[in-house]
Amino acid sequence: GQNIDQPTEMTATEGAIVQINCTYQTSGFNGLFWYQQHAGEAPTFLSYNVLDGLEEKGRFSSFLSRSKGYSYLLLKELQMKDSASYLCAFMDSNYQLIWGAGTKLIIKP
Amino acid sequence: GAVVSQHPSRVICKSGTSVKIECRSLDFQATTMFWYRQFPKKSLMLMATSNEGSKATYEQGVEKDKFLINHASLTLSTLTVTSAHPEDSSFYICSARGGTSLETQYFGPGTRLLVL
Repeated sequence: GQNIDQPTEMTATEGAIVQINCTYQTSGFNGLFWYQQHAGEAPTFLSYNVLDGLEEKGRFSSFLSRSKGYSYLLLKELQMKDSASYLCAFMDSNYQLIWGAGTKLIIKP
Repeated sequence: GAVVSQHPSRVICKSGTSVKIECRSLDFQATTMFWYRQFPKKSLMLMATSNEGSKATYEQGVEKDKFLINHASLTLSTLTVTSAHPEDSSFYICSARGGTSLETQYFGPGTRLLVL
């Protein structure tokens, strides 16, 4: 079967670093995505990993280990505007996205 | 690049009426478009997948006669909620895939539907 799991909520301090983990199980895999969604808005694309390793994009980095079915999103130098839900999703063998429930990130001053 | 627009952003209608939501890819040709529904504090729920010029593929439990999807061109897909009822009130989001990144889905801003 397929499943994907991420923490429901995390809290971090402004200026700090936070890592949001995502684990998944699937027989067919065509990459893993991270999206950011602010309350009341649609998701915006953050990253796409299809090979193992770390992809860095400014303050945000995303890591993938296909053998472990594991990914994380790393946010550095946290800003208040980073308060949002972070959705991970993997693309299955039919090129369909399977979504996690999202991690609500709360940033405190 | 990869901008997706959605119209209207917000609509209030009476029970029993039909509402059409448009989704356009502005700067790329979308080979596939997706329609999602999202309830407050819940994750995205895929309703249907549509490819240009062919019938949409609906997810289990989604009534195709109630949620009519037309993907008339490579830049436009429409979702019509027919005979809307209060339980259809939700946040509807489209996404499009195509252009230089064949895997990535880019989302429209969403349409908030309230059925009275």
